[in-house]
Amino acid sequence: DQQVKQNSPSLSVQEGRISILNCDYTNSMFDYFLWYKKYPAEGPTFLISISSIKDKNEDGRFTVFLNKSAKHLSLHIVPSQPGDSAVYFCAASPGGSNYKLTFGKGTLLTVNP
Amino acid sequence: NAGVMQNPRHLVRRRGQEARLRCSPMKGHSHVYWYRQLPEEGLKFMVYLQKENIIDESGMPKERFSAEFPKEGPSILRIQQVVRGDSAAYFCASSPPGRGSNQPQHFGDGTRLSIL
Repeated sequence: DQQVKQNSPSLSVQEGRISILNCDYTNSMFDYFLWYKKYPAEGPTFLISISSIKDKNEDGRFTVFLNKSAKHLSLHIVPSQPGDSAVYFCAASPGGSNYKLTFGKGTLLTVNP
Repeated sequence: NAGVMQNPRHLVRRRGQEARLRCSPMKGHSHVYWYRQLPEEGLKFMVYLQKENIIDESGMPKERFSAEFPKEGPSILRIQQVVRGDSAAYFCASSPPGRGSNQPQHFGDGTRLSIL
């Protein structure tokens, strides 16, 4: 039972363009959402988060959008850079136990020069 | 480097042996979490600890696995009598104290456990 789904295993984008990574969830108890970036042989690096009281959070080139009614969130990276090439994980946690992150399987982003 | 430190980075064990994975949280962090990642999968929550306390171990297998975070020293994830299915990457994360607020977890680079 996969509660956090990243349906695109991979995404290829041209440098300078926008990258949009998508994530769907099924558990209506989730109220805190995070995106992590992961390079091979390294641990996940925290990028950006959003709580369910908001529908958008922005940090530099990264913006996360949350659509609670659709149980969908997305990460926008603009402009994309070759150094952004990595696996991106969406994670979510429920209220009351917001430490218990549930991760998606990840999307491999490749930004071509 | 004040990041989450995990060691060893790679650990090879034969079936039936014990594996001990260590994690030192970031400075100022008192909450430690362990996750396991199987190939082609996302990370899966195992256990949440604070100093000398196991807060939530709902993701831990019922047998052979244990975790501790003593008053002094690193957190330890211990796997007894390892089997081939234990082969995975084990990640530790930490976060600062902050009850009632969402705190992102910061991860170490993991221990890759291989069972021969």
